[in-house]
Amino acid sequence: NAGVTQTPKFRILKIGQSMTLQCTQDMNHNYMYWYRQDPGMGLKLIYYSVGAGITDKGEVPNGYNVSRSTTEDFPLRLELAAPSQTSVYFCASSSRGAGELFFGEGSRLTVL
Amino acid sequence: KQEVTQIPAALSVPEGENLVLNCSFTDSAIYNLQWFRQDPGKGLTSLLLIQSSQREQTSGRLNASLDKSSGRSTLYIAASQPGDSATYLCAPREAQKLVFGQGTRLTINP
Repeated sequence: NAGVTQTPKFRILKIGQSMTLQCTQDMNHNYMYWYRQDPGMGLKLIYYSVGAGITDKGEVPNGYNVSRSTTEDFPLRLELAAPSQTSVYFCASSSRGAGELFFGEGSRLTVL
Repeated sequence: KQEVTQIPAALSVPEGENLVLNCSFTDSAIYNLQWFRQDPGKGLTSLLLIQSSQREQTSGRLNASLDKSSGRSTLYIAASQPGDSATYLCAPREAQKLVFGQGTRLTINP
């Protein structure tokens, strides 16, 4: 069982470039989340989705966009990358709002 | 705004000891609380989920307690092993999101 899969695992971007972090889950979970983790800091919520076609902002949404066209996929798009977006990004999913969260392995992004 | 504090930030103990990791949170209106472990360069692995109506939850050598009214949770690890070395994160859930502490980095020395 693959669980939550994120790609790419590593990426280096130049300032001003754009890219999409992919996230897919095979557990038929309705709820999906994107978090970022900076060194020495706790994880912060960027965006979340409660089902296909429904997304909402988290704590730190600026500079990011998401879409949720299917239950399985929840891509995170970075527009006009900035050094402040250097971080490790984690995708997670849960079967219900108060359910256990399952995380992917993370995508490490460096913006130079 | 929910704030989560984990004490200590780092802990080093010899193998075989029982230990307690602490988590405190400022807003007691939570749905549940989840404990995770994170190995270096890896994602988060769920250890235990305690619902707001529960007082504790056990899985193997791990026992987590929750005192919602005082805003505290503890993770008890019995008979620690070198493989338990990792960062442990607690995360109370409010509405649609988990709020994370900065974690406790645990090192078990053989």
